[in-house]
Amino acid sequence: DAKTTQPPSMDCAEGRAANLPCNHSTISGNEYVYWYRQIHSQGPQYIIHGLKNNETNEMASLIITEDRKSSTLILPHATLRDTAVYYCIVRAGPQGGGKLIFGQGTELSVKP
Amino acid sequence: DAGVTQSPTHLIKTRGQQVTLRCSPKSGHDTVSWYQQALGQGPQFIFQYYEEEERQRGNFPDRFSGHQFPNYSSELNVNALLLGDSALYLCASSLFSGSDTQYFGPGTRLTVL
Repeated sequence: DAKTTQPPSMDCAEGRAANLPCNHSTISGNEYVYWYRQIHSQGPQYIIHGLKNNETNEMASLIITEDRKSSTLILPHATLRDTAVYYCIVRAGPQGGGKLIFGQGTELSVKP
Repeated sequence: DAGVTQSPTHLIKTRGQQVTLRCSPKSGHDTVSWYQQALGQGPQFIFQYYEEEERQRGNFPDRFSGHQFPNYSSELNVNALLLGDSALYLCASSLFSGSDTQYFGPGTRLTVL
């Protein structure tokens, strides 16, 4: 599985968009980008995943660059409840073999 | 629609003891994965169960074992507990032949004294 690089921490003002970057320069053609977040001492929460096209759901948008070497998770209107550690994970897609490899993630602090 | 559930929520054991943690997958899911999360670290993969068999295993000693039941629920057993086994233990469920996205439970906080 490809390795990902994320900034250790970011701040965002409440109501503004939070843009969380992730580098995955060694991603291979069959690997997806997954995003999870973990609010303190809770289980990780699935946010979104994508292969090469941009994806949007009720929680967030995922923008993947054309060369697929990096991506950005966008929370369009951050709230205080979005304060969490955000993990970017690259893994093979459906039937991809199971395990998620978590790095250190980005600690996002949303401030009033 | 019930999500992933885990029991107990918290557990305190002493060194050398054995512990069993339990997980019920999200409705419709047939695969269970277990992770260990030490304080300040990201979760680490322990193993995955599908069709009552261990399908994949991470870098954990044989003291860590598991089981999956016909109703897809799962147990994680840890023998000869060490202080370093203190962690949040997370269970995630998924559909093996589906999108394979893993959904996590709230975790069990294990403290070894």
